[in-house]
Amino acid sequence: DAGITQSPRHKVTETGTPVTLRCHQTENHRYMYWYRQDPGHGLRLIHYSYGVKDTDKGEVSDGYSVSRSKTEDFLLTLESATSSQTSVYFCAISRQGFGGELFFGEGSRLTVL
Amino acid sequence: QQQVKQSPQSLIVQKGGISIINCAYENTAFDYFPWYQQFPGKGPALLIAIRPDVSEKKEGRFTISFNKSAKQFSLHIMDSQPGDSATYFCAADSQGGGADGLTFGKGTHLIIQP
Repeated sequence: DAGITQSPRHKVTETGTPVTLRCHQTENHRYMYWYRQDPGHGLRLIHYSYGVKDTDKGEVSDGYSVSRSKTEDFLLTLESATSSQTSVYFCAISRQGFGGELFFGEGSRLTVL
Repeated sequence: QQQVKQSPQSLIVQKGGISIINCAYENTAFDYFPWYQQFPGKGPALLIAIRPDVSEKKEGRFTISFNKSAKQFSLHIMDSQPGDSATYFCAADSQGGGADGLTFGKGTHLIIQP
């Protein structure tokens, strides 16, 4: 157990509404990541963080924003959800940022109607 | 641009057989190649990983074979068991790169038939 909690685990929302997913870690790791998983696409990086208030974009960042005000929390926000953002979202943490193991949460399933 | 290509997309193997999943990469700066295993409803978890200073790494029934010149690596599961049924992802990273984590293949859905 890597001490990662994602919330909510399941959410159904309407197109155009804002959504925030939370990732909480108890490991005090510096690096945190948000991935989305879709059939046929595997895992794709949305945003990542390399410290408090330090974030950067990943491969599929359009339509998403993130914030990290505390080491333990990394928030993913969809400002105006669209049906194309229906997906399973995974948070991951890493001790070393590159060339090392990622520990994943159990995922948040988001459905945008 | 897909930097890690994984095949096959799905695979059915009889119990006791050998499961083989292949990956190819393009970025010669990659120097860390892990495989992740994911069960339904769970997040991926590290199964086994290799660095390019060796051509093979074995952990129990799981073996990674690495071919640096061909820029390919593969996962072999010997004596495959129904409990191995899962989705497998290959990935790659560079220790000299940024802190942007792993680049993943698209995954292989493996079914081991009893």
